[in-house]
Amino acid sequence: GENVEQHPSTLSVQEGDSAVIKCTYSDSASNYFPWYKQELGKRPQLIIDIRSNVGEKKDQRIAVTLNKTAKHFSLHITETQPEDSAVYFCAASKKTSLTTDSWGKLQFGAGTQVVVTP
Amino acid sequence: KAGVTQTPRYLIKTRGQQVTLSCSPISGHRSVSWYQQTPGQGLQFLFEYFSETQRNKGNFPGRFSGRQFSNSRSEMNVSTLELGDSALYLCASSHGTGGEETQYFGPGTRLLVL
Repeated sequence: GENVEQHPSTLSVQEGDSAVIKCTYSDSASNYFPWYKQELGKRPQLIIDIRSNVGEKKDQRIAVTLNKTAKHFSLHITETQPEDSAVYFCAASKKTSLTTDSWGKLQFGAGTQVVVTP
Repeated sequence: KAGVTQTPRYLIKTRGQQVTLSCSPISGHRSVSWYQQTPGQGLQFLFEYFSETQRNKGNFPGRFSGRQFSNSRSEMNVSTLELGDSALYLCASSHGTGGEETQYFGPGTRLLVL
């Protein structure tokens, strides 16, 4: 089955600097890659996602890049702010009409604890 | 639109007991997925329900089960609780027409097994 690896496990950045989190996946059939942010005691919140027919997507200070050949995708946060401090999870899923083993399943990375210091 | 809701938010049980958790999806969403979140194992997929049918299942023992009702609300049940079942149980809803759909998470039920 799909395996998603995420690095680094912790990331400390100064306010205003950029943060980059990288994920690799194993199943070449995966075609949907969301990123979730989870603040302490809160639910995971989708912050951005990318589909396999797109190489890059940007939303204000957040961007995601996808390299299908290398099977890796990355989250980039620019001009970090203290409110960006949280755990970030990457995930992968696939859509197939041939089997049901992908339905409703997100395979998550282990998470990255991001700390933004003022 | 109201978001995904879960009840109860907190539970304390003892080993050997059973527990039932409830999830109400976003209106119009027909798919509900359940995940277990622990510090050691991260977020792990339990199962997914769509139109009252379990379509997919993760690698959890048979003590973990679920069901879905005609209004798309879902419940999961854990029988014969073990200490290792202590976790945050999250459900997520989506339209359910494909694996690439966005999943929206509920606030979770935090289960502590003593």
